[in-house]
Amino acid sequence: KQEVTQIPAALSVPEGENLVLNCSFTDSAIYNLQWFRQDPGKGLTSLLLIQSSQREQTSGRLNASLDKSSGRSTLYIAASQPGDSATYLCAVWQSNFGNEKLTFGTGTRLTIIP
Amino acid sequence: GAGVSQSPSNKVTEKGKDVELRCDPISGHTALYWYRQSLGQGLEFLIYFQGNSAPDKSGLPSDRFSAERTGGSVSTLTIQRTQQEDSAVYLCASSLYGPNTEAFFGQGTRLTVV
Repeated sequence: KQEVTQIPAALSVPEGENLVLNCSFTDSAIYNLQWFRQDPGKGLTSLLLIQSSQREQTSGRLNASLDKSSGRSTLYIAASQPGDSATYLCAVWQSNFGNEKLTFGTGTRLTIIP
Repeated sequence: GAGVSQSPSNKVTEKGKDVELRCDPISGHTALYWYRQSLGQGLEFLIYFQGNSAPDKSGLPSDRFSAERTGGSVSTLTIQRTQQEDSAVYLCASSLYGPNTEAFFGQGTRLTVV
C-alpha cells in the first residue's frame, strides 16, 4: 500500500527566505507526482505536475523535483511571500492496474511571517 | 466550464437523512474522482470514474455511500442515512485522461450532520 509522508508538518519562516518542503513515498510505481496548495476552508489548487520520467518542473518561484527511485520529491519556494501561507500537499498517482488513484500526504502547513 | 464546480458549497443535514452532492467536472475530462477530507485528516479516496469503465469504488467507506456519473459528465455522490462521522469536506476532481494527467479540484462541499 502506498504511503506518502510530508515533513515537516508545519513550518514558519520569515518573508523573503527560500524554503524546501519534503515529500516521500513508499511505492515507486507511479505515473506522476503532483503538488497542491490548500488555503483554509478552500479546495485544492494544483501547483505542479511532474511526470515519472521527469526530474523537475518549474513554475514561477516554485520548483519541484522528483527522484522516483528513492521515493522523494521536494518543493522549493524562492523568495517567500505572505501570500504563500497555506497547506502544501503532495500526491502520487499509482500506476498499478486497478489501483489508479491519487494518494495524498498529510501536508505541510506553511506560515510566512511578514 | 472554467473549473470543477461542486454544489452545494455547504450542507447541514439531520442524522438519518439522505444527501446528494453534485460535481460538474471540467468539460472534456474523462476522469472524475471523489475524495473526503475530515477535520484535521488527510484526503481519503472514495471513488474514481474513468470514461465508460466500471468505477473504482474501493474507497467507499460503507454501503450507505454511492455515486454515479451520468453521460460521462456530471457526478452525484449520495450518502444515505447520514451519520455524524460523515461530517467532512467532500472534494471532487477531474483530469483529462486519468492517472497520468493533471488533476483539478473543486472547492468542495462541507457536510455537517447534526
